[in-house]
Amino acid sequence: AQKVTQAQTEISVVEKEDVTLDCVYETRDTTYYLFWYKQPPSGELVFLIRRNSFDEQNEISGRYSWNFQKSTSSFNFTITASQVVDSAVYFCALSEAIGGADGLTFGKGTHLIIQP
Amino acid sequence: ETGVTQSPTHLIKTRGQQVTLRCSSQSGHNTVSWYQQALGQGPQFIFQYYREEENGRGNFPPRFSGLQFPNYSSELNVNALELDDSALYLCASSLGLGPYNEQFFGPGTRLTVL
Repeated sequence: AQKVTQAQTEISVVEKEDVTLDCVYETRDTTYYLFWYKQPPSGELVFLIRRNSFDEQNEISGRYSWNFQKSTSSFNFTITASQVVDSAVYFCALSEAIGGADGLTFGKGTHLIIQP
Repeated sequence: ETGVTQSPTHLIKTRGQQVTLRCSSQSGHNTVSWYQQALGQGPQFIFQYYREEENGRGNFPPRFSGLQFPNYSSELNVNALELDDSALYLCASSLGLGPYNEQFFGPGTRLTVL
C-alpha cells in the first residue's frame, strides 16, 4: 500500500528565511507520480508540481524548488526568501501509475506560518 | 480559480440523515474524483468517476455513493450520516484517467454532522 509521511506538523519562520518541507513516501510500484499542493485558508487545493518516478532532476520555479531522491524515497520542497503569502498548509501526494484508480494519497500536511 | 465549482459551500445535518453534494467539473474534463478531508488531516480518496462509471474507490463504506452525469458534473451522496462524516469534501476534475492528468480541485463543501 502506498503511504506519504510529512513529519513536520507545523513550521514557523520569519519572513525572508528559507524553509524546507519534508516528504517521505512508500510505494511498491516502480512507476509513480509525486505532487505538492498548497491549501490556503480558503480551502481550495492549488497544484504546485508533479514529478514522475523516472525524472530525478531537481526543479526550480521562482522561489520554489523541489529535491527528488529515489534512494531515500523523499521529495522535499524548499521555499527561498519566504513571504507572508506563502503561509498555508502544504500537502505532498503520491499516485501509482496504473489508471490512477486509487486516486491521490496525501500526507497529513505541514502548516507553514510565515511571520512578518 | 480552477473552474471547478461545488455546492453548497456549507451544510449542517443531523446524525442519521442523508446528504447530497454537487460538483461541476472544469469544461471538457471527463473525470471527477471525490475526497474527504477531516480537520487537520490530508484529503482521503473516496472514489473516482470516468465517463459516468465508477473507476476506482478508496476505503469508504457503501453508504458513500456517487453519480456522474452526461455533462460530467457529479454528485456525492452519503446515507445514514455519522458524526465522523463531518469534514471538508473536495471534488477534483481532470481530463482523462491517470495521474499524469492534473487534477483541478474545487473549493469544497464543509459538512457538519450534529
